Amino acid sequence: QQPVQSPQAVILREGEDAVINCSSSKALYSVHWYRQKHGEAPVFLMILLKGGEQKGHDKISASFNEKKQQSSLYLTASQLSYSGTYFCGTEPQTGANNLFFGTGTRLTVIP
Amino acid sequence: DGGITQSPKYLFRKEGQNVTLSCEQNLNHDAMYWYRQDPGQGLRLIYYSQIVNDFQKGDIAEGYSVSREKKESFPLTVTSAQKNPTAFYLCASSPPGRLAGETGELFFGEGSRLTVL
Repeated sequence: QQPVQSPQAVILREGEDAVINCSSSKALYSVHWYRQKHGEAPVFLMILLKGGEQKGHDKISASFNEKKQQSSLYLTASQLSYSGTYFCGTEPQTGANNLFFGTGTRLTVIP
Repeated sequence: DGGITQSPKYLFRKEGQNVTLSCEQNLNHDAMYWYRQDPGQGLRLIYYSQIVNDFQKGDIAEGYSVSREKKESFPLTVTSAQKNPTAFYLCASSPPGRLAGETGELFFGEGSRLTVL
């Protein structure tokens, strides 16, 4: 039930934009996004619920297409502080109440 | 400050030994989780508990055991039956979601890095 994330890694210059995709083979109730900096614990960014909602957090936003079981994280005008590994966590519509995490996307922002 | 405390941060063990990783939270969360993180594999769920005295296996529970005797505590024991225990272990807790059955945001501890010699 692990979702698939793409790309696996991306390098950006400050100010550039990036999109990270998360796709599941299961019908989803919600999608979570987390960021983990090297050697630290993952930190919550946002939750998206079924209903096709979009959310924004500073210059980081996300969308959730429940019909396609896909979510995308958009990072605009990237900053050095955006560097880290981004994980999506998916919660299936049926089954246990827990998250299945993707393998992560390593984002590196350079000056 | 509220949060999740994991200990020890680093742990070395010899093959054949059981070790217990501690996880304590003072966030008053009912749900707690243990994840294992290996390079390139993301976070995989070992065990989770939605309420005291109850817990369920995750995707990779073999070779691990847990207990949930108190709301604040969810220790993980890595037994000698775990074939490849060297990994980074993360504990998390979450509040209830906005709707029944929804998983709220996860709050993670700093992690415990276990190395088997």
